[in-house]
Amino acid sequence: DQQVKQNSPSLSVQEGRISILNCDYTNSMFDYFLWYKKYPAEGPTFLISISSIKDKNEDGRFTVFLNKSAKHLSLHIVPSQPGDSAVYFCAAQYGNKLVFGAGTILRVKS
Amino acid sequence: DVKVTQSSRYLVKRTGEKVFLECVQDMDHENMFWYRQDPGLGLRLIYFSYDVKMKEKGDIPEGYSVSREKKERFSLILESASTNQTSMYLCASSFRGQVQETQYFGPGTRLLVL
Repeated sequence: DQQVKQNSPSLSVQEGRISILNCDYTNSMFDYFLWYKKYPAEGPTFLISISSIKDKNEDGRFTVFLNKSAKHLSLHIVPSQPGDSAVYFCAAQYGNKLVFGAGTILRVKS
Repeated sequence: DVKVTQSSRYLVKRTGEKVFLECVQDMDHENMFWYRQDPGLGLRLIYFSYDVKMKEKGDIPEGYSVSREKKERFSLILESASTNQTSMYLCASSFRGQVQETQYFGPGTRLLVL
């Protein structure tokens, strides 16, 4: 039973446009939500996070929104760049463990 | 810069072989983790360790064991490799006591079991 779900396996976006990656979760006890980015042949790297008591966190081109009532979060990338093409994993934290979603492959076309 | 290294990038083993995957981190992190990544399933936690000689089972520990004899090193052991253990294995580490659990990952070991 997956506690963290990323229902879109892939997303294709034109350079300069907005990319929106979605994530749903089932456990209301998660403390933090994190997004990781993974390039081929590299390990995932931390991108941005949000506390469960917030509804928005912004860092440059990246913004994460949290809707606790819907148990849903999303990552917005504006404007999207070709270098953003990667696999994006949503992760939810309880204690010091992370539960990861299946990932979404983002392709930004130039 | 945090560095997590894994002993091999690619590994090919035969069914029944004992396989050792090594992970070393240089940031004096207390916590270390082993995940496997499979298409459509994301990263799943196999084992983790809070300190030297300590280990805890993750979500999918069956068929695996671990060893942590030194703080910087965390080994994953496949006692008798099977074809369903063909996967990408990722090691991660983190600092104990942080409020947000930011984990730092190694580049991964792609294991093929024939």
